[in-house]
Amino acid sequence: GAVVSQHPSRVICKSGTSVKIECRSLDFQATTMFWYRQFPKQSLMLMATSNEGSKATYEQGVEKDKFLINHASLTLSTLTVTSAHPEDSSFYICSARDIQGVGYTFGSGTRLTVV
Amino acid sequence: DQQVKQNSPSLSVQEGRISILNCDYTNSMFDYFLWYKKYPAEGPTFLISISSIKDKNEDGRFTVFLNKSAKHLSLHIVPSQPGDSAVYFCAASRYNTDKLIFGTGTRLQVFP
Repeated sequence: GAVVSQHPSRVICKSGTSVKIECRSLDFQATTMFWYRQFPKQSLMLMATSNEGSKATYEQGVEKDKFLINHASLTLSTLTVTSAHPEDSSFYICSARDIQGVGYTFGSGTRLTVV
Repeated sequence: DQQVKQNSPSLSVQEGRISILNCDYTNSMFDYFLWYKKYPAEGPTFLISISSIKDKNEDGRFTVFLNKSAKHLSLHIVPSQPGDSAVYFCAASRYNTDKLIFGTGTRLQVFP
């Protein structure tokens, strides 16, 4: 079946630095990529939607200058958390849809801890 | 505004019995619903889905029921197994949009 590889699985960074999270679709072309964030014991909250080759659409309340999303190819999307702060510590998950728009394939998630 | 809600944060069921997880939604424009299983520090795993033109979909031990008038769906797992212990999320999407809106999750524990 469809697989989305997400890296890193876990990252600890210092406050003020930037962190890049990658999601790759391994056996299909991900025309649409979704980025979610999950705080402990809470739901998965959609942050943004990106389509290959175009700018991401951010959900209300999500700072686009802080969470930079790049979807330059049909198999790779990245989320960069810029100038990270402790409150950005969370579990980030990507999800991809293929060109047929069938199903959602999730990555394995990235646990970000900002110290 | 939580458009998809799972009012039971946890559920404990004995092995072999039925597990029933509930989900309510407020947006009548939602027309496609999914259930996911999630372990800590992992991405969600798709279980089963249902479109609004149906009121029931079954796949092995998993059955999803949809009551559009009540804006309610439920996931039945029977028989429940210890390996089913996880957090279960329902999710909904609208026609012509790809966005999935997730519920708050229910932690299911199946004990021997």
